[in-house]
Amino acid sequence: DVKVTQSSRYLVKRTGEKVFLECVQDMDHENMFWYRQDPGLGLRLIYFSYDVKMKEKGDIPEGYSVSREKKERFSLILESASTNQTSMYLCASSLYTEGGLGEKLFFGSGTQLSVL
Amino acid sequence: QKEVEQNSGPLSVPEGAIASLNCTYSDRGSQSFFWYRQYSGKSPELIMSIYSNGDKEDGRFTAQLNKASQYVSLLIRDSQPSDSATYLCAVNTPRTGFQKLVFGTGTRLLVSP
Repeated sequence: DVKVTQSSRYLVKRTGEKVFLECVQDMDHENMFWYRQDPGLGLRLIYFSYDVKMKEKGDIPEGYSVSREKKERFSLILESASTNQTSMYLCASSLYTEGGLGEKLFFGSGTQLSVL
Repeated sequence: QKEVEQNSGPLSVPEGAIASLNCTYSDRGSQSFFWYRQYSGKSPELIMSIYSNGDKEDGRFTAQLNKASQYVSLLIRDSQPSDSATYLCAVNTPRTGFQKLVFGTGTRLLVSP
């Protein structure tokens, strides 16, 4: 069965802390994504990666960075957490398809991050 | 104008009725369209994809696409209480270099027994 695993279901951090959110997929997918989901705003793309060590900015990359050292792992880094980064963070992966990135997305179970 | 627009709902239907969920998108170059279902506290899961004008049926679900009107819909026949969830419309929109999947904010569906 396909699986995208996020390291933490709930996380509480303090303003200014450096935060790491980890995501691992076991499907050998080329593409991996980080979204955040907020009420009324829906899912917004933060960063995505189409290959190891490759990354592209999404719609809201400010305040975030990512790392993809291995194909199966995609990390989201909040360099200095702020209260407006309190949100549900969802990792997803997908197979490469010619001409596109986002065919069938498989999502992890999400990390609810609270920044106090 | 939002790239993908959905009515937030809630859309309330009785058990056994047809639920009709609608979505409009702004980019005429969009080529791929998806419906994801998200139960409360869970992550989204893909339930339908459609790429060409017309209807696509899968069990109780029918996706309808009209590219001229930039409109995609999801019909759920014989609605069940277990269909109560938020339904996200997603559109694969061409951008420079890479296509990008853009999500609507979702329509909350409530099916009452």
